[in-house]
Amino acid sequence: AQSVTQLGSHVSVSEGALVLLRCNYSSSVPPYLFWYVQYPNQGLQLLLKYTSAATLVKGINGFEAEFKKSETSFHLTKPSAHMSDAAEYFCAVSVQHGGSYIPTFGRGTSLIVHP
Amino acid sequence: KAGVTQTPRYLIKTRGQQVTLSCSPISGHRSVSWYQQTPGQGLQFLFEYFSETQRNKGNFPGRFSGRQFSNSRSEMNVSTLELGDSALYLCASSLEGTGVTGELFFGEGSRLTVL
Repeated sequence: AQSVTQLGSHVSVSEGALVLLRCNYSSSVPPYLFWYVQYPNQGLQLLLKYTSAATLVKGINGFEAEFKKSETSFHLTKPSAHMSDAAEYFCAVSVQHGGSYIPTFGRGTSLIVHP
Repeated sequence: KAGVTQTPRYLIKTRGQQVTLSCSPISGHRSVSWYQQTPGQGLQFLFEYFSETQRNKGNFPGRFSGRQFSNSRSEMNVSTLELGDSALYLCASSLEGTGVTGELFFGEGSRLTVL
């Protein structure tokens, strides 16, 4: 079975500072990995995904993540935080189960951006 | 292309009642999944439907049920509501076929409050 651990339920940064949200996964087979973002009172929106094509994945809104198999990590970064980045971020791992892929989500990290 | 549509967005019920939530997936998407989101448990997988068949099921009691219609629209039902069923219920659709990876497209959710 696969699992996801997101370190830190809350991360606080200043506007313009580096954003680093940590995600470690556990999977017995090569996984697909995702980062989703959730703004208040909304559903989840895909930021980026890793599907084994390239270890460094670029997503929307300037975010990127690097797949490190040796560390079983898929940390999310952004060079410069904006106020609009304040939201809940979820890491997810997905492996094939029967005829479909069912993602397992981490508990989420709330990103707080200070002016 | 229209996104995933969930109705109703908000609803209040009392203990013992039942509730039905509706989800219309993105046109062409044949897989519909349901998730329960609570502050304490995070995102938990309820079930997944594909071509009117339940393909996967999470670890929830039998009070939680669902179905999918021939047009891929889905409903979920919770009977004999309990206070702990208060949550945001998220529906997600996905594209089946080549490149299946578990990437999900979420609706904005139905927020259920049980009094």
